[in-house]
Amino acid sequence: QVQLVQSGAEVKEPGASVKISCKASGYMFTAYHMHWVRQAPEQGPEWLGMVHPFNGGTNYRQKFQGRVTMTRDTSTGTVYMELSGLRSEDTAIYYCARELPPSLYFDFWGQGTQVTVSS
Amino acid sequence: IVLTQSPGTLSLSPGERATLSCRASQSVSGNSLVWYQQKPGQAPRLLIYGASTRATDIPDRFIAGGSGTDFTLTISGLEPEDFAMYYCQQYGGSEYTFGQGTKLEIK
Repeated sequence: QVQLVQSGAEVKEPGASVKISCKASGYMFTAYHMHWVRQAPEQGPEWLGMVHPFNGGTNYRQKFQGRVTMTRDTSTGTVYMELSGLRSEDTAIYYCARELPPSLYFDFWGQGTQVTVSS
Repeated sequence: IVLTQSPGTLSLSPGERATLSCRASQSVSGNSLVWYQQKPGQAPRLLIYGASTRATDIPDRFIAGGSGTDFTLTISGLEPEDFAMYYCQQYGGSEYTFGQGTKLEIK
């Protein structure tokens, strides 16, 4: 069965970086785009960007350009999202979610990773 | 494109019908409007894609439609498990955006 298993919760100080992993299994890893979506407390989801596991191509939301890096490791079926220059507003649950291109929707999500930015 | 959902909160009883609205600030391309359901402590779950197509295993009491800038999700005969948050989502201008959500709560 399809699984997206994310790494555990993180607590970071302002200005630090965080790197979250998402390990995929149960489907053809290179056939699906992997997106990252975050959700701050009591807010709607926010899309950060995506990586295509086939070739490593990326597309980042303009708001996060220069602060976010998404990569993949095809040998382990894992994608990574690194966010730098953390501030309190980055406190949120971060989800990976897959998309079969060009469907433009996310049909399966990881369980989420809580990132807390606090001094 | 900004998605505005209404109402913010909808209080209904099991068995009733819920109507949720999602309005876009510009026309949604190719009717790529999507609906998700989210329960506390869980990730969003895909309900509807392409504005009106139910995802796998979604019951037929969930009916969605609309085009252009106005979209609706109707849930007929509410079941206890339907009380949750609902979000719409679209793709446009090289970005994916979500609405702020409608909370469907038990009256």
